[in-house]
Amino acid sequence: EVQLVESGGGLVQPGGSLRLSCAASGFAFSNYWMHWVRQAPGKGLVWVSRITNDGSGTSYADSVKGRFTISRDNAKKTLYLQMNSLGVEDTAVYFCARLDYGGTDFDYWGQGTLVTVSS
Amino acid sequence: QSALTQPPSASGSPGQSVTISCTGTSSDVGGYNYVSWYQQHPGKAPKLMIYDVSKRPSGVPDRFSGSKSDNTASLTVSGLQAEDEADYYCSSYAGNNNFVFGTGTKVTVL
Repeated sequence: EVQLVESGGGLVQPGGSLRLSCAASGFAFSNYWMHWVRQAPGKGLVWVSRITNDGSGTSYADSVKGRFTISRDNAKKTLYLQMNSLGVEDTAVYFCARLDYGGTDFDYWGQGTLVTVSS
Repeated sequence: QSALTQPPSASGSPGQSVTISCTGTSSDVGGYNYVSWYQQHPGKAPKLMIYDVSKRPSGVPDRFSGSKSDNTASLTVSGLQAEDEADYYCSSYAGNNNFVFGTGTKVTVL
């Protein structure tokens, strides 16, 4: 059974940092591109970042470029999102999602981890 | 990349059908046959319901169907059931390995 389990969320002050993790199981993690998607309270889904299966290529939404870094450890089957210079606008539930093998949709999602940026 | 436009809400009685639109541009919805739809119940993770415009993953009831015309994609839920009450989001490939989501539609079963 495919499982994605996020962790690392919490309360952080503006300007602070946080690292999210997404532990994968039930599939060949190293074969799949992975993404982070976030959802502010009461709002819609917004794509944040993606990484290729081998970690050689990354991409970011303009809103997080230069502040967030996506990475992965295929040996540990874990995806990461390092978030720096956090602002209140980054408050959201962060989901990791697997891009399907055809590269056209997100076929599995984690349950999400809440990041709250507040003083 | 701007979010795809969806109506904020849609509703129908049990057994009826409801159709949700998802409007983008020629750079996303209109440019590729890679539109997907996700169902999200409160406090839960999104669930893939439709991919590649009209294909259903295994386990998704055939009451859910998708289509596309030019820059607008649509999701139709036929034979509405109480458990279909949820938020629905469309997503489209937007080139260069990027994706864009819709604004979301809350479906209410009356």
